[in-house]
Amino acid sequence: GAVVSQHPSRVICKSGTSVKIECRSLDFQATTMFWYRQFPKKSLMLMATSNEGSKATYEQGVEKDKFLINHASLTLSTLTVTSAHPEDSSFYICSAYHRGGEKLFFGSGTQLSVL
Amino acid sequence: DQQVKQNSPSLSVQEGRISILNCDYTNSMFDYFLWYKKYPAEGPTFLISISSIKDKNEDGRFTVFLNKSAKHLSLHIVPSQPGDSAVYFCAASGTLGGNEKLTFGTGTRLTIIP
Repeated sequence: GAVVSQHPSRVICKSGTSVKIECRSLDFQATTMFWYRQFPKKSLMLMATSNEGSKATYEQGVEKDKFLINHASLTLSTLTVTSAHPEDSSFYICSAYHRGGEKLFFGSGTQLSVL
Repeated sequence: DQQVKQNSPSLSVQEGRISILNCDYTNSMFDYFLWYKKYPAEGPTFLISISSIKDKNEDGRFTVFLNKSAKHLSLHIVPSQPGDSAVYFCAASGTLGGNEKLTFGTGTRLTIIP
């Protein structure tokens, strides 16, 4: 089946630093990828829709200058958390839309801890 | 405004019995529904889906039922196995299998008791 690779799986950083998370579709091209955030015992909240070759579409309340999304190729989208603060600590998950199978496949997630 | 709701945060079921997970939605524009299974510190994995033109979809031990008039869907797992212990999310979208964004419920933690 289709595979989505997300890296790193866990990152700990100091407050004020920036962290980049990569999401790759390994065996299919994904024109659309999605970035989610999950707080403990909460639902997955969509942050933004990443479209290859164009600007990402952010959900209401998500700061686009803080969460930079780049979808430079059909197999790679990146989320950069800029000037991270402890309240940005969360589990971030990407997903890629497989048009051929008309399904979403999820990465394994990244646990971000900001000290 | 939680458009997709899973009112039971947790559920415990004896091994071999039926597990029934429920999900309610409020947006009548949703016409495609999915169930995902999630283990801690991992991304969700797709289980089963159903479109609004159907009221039932079955795949092995998993069956999803959709009641459009009640805006309610349920996932039945039978027989339940210890490996089914996980958090289950229902999700909904407004496009039939299209690349529309998904709205997730809050999840139900299922524990299968050996």
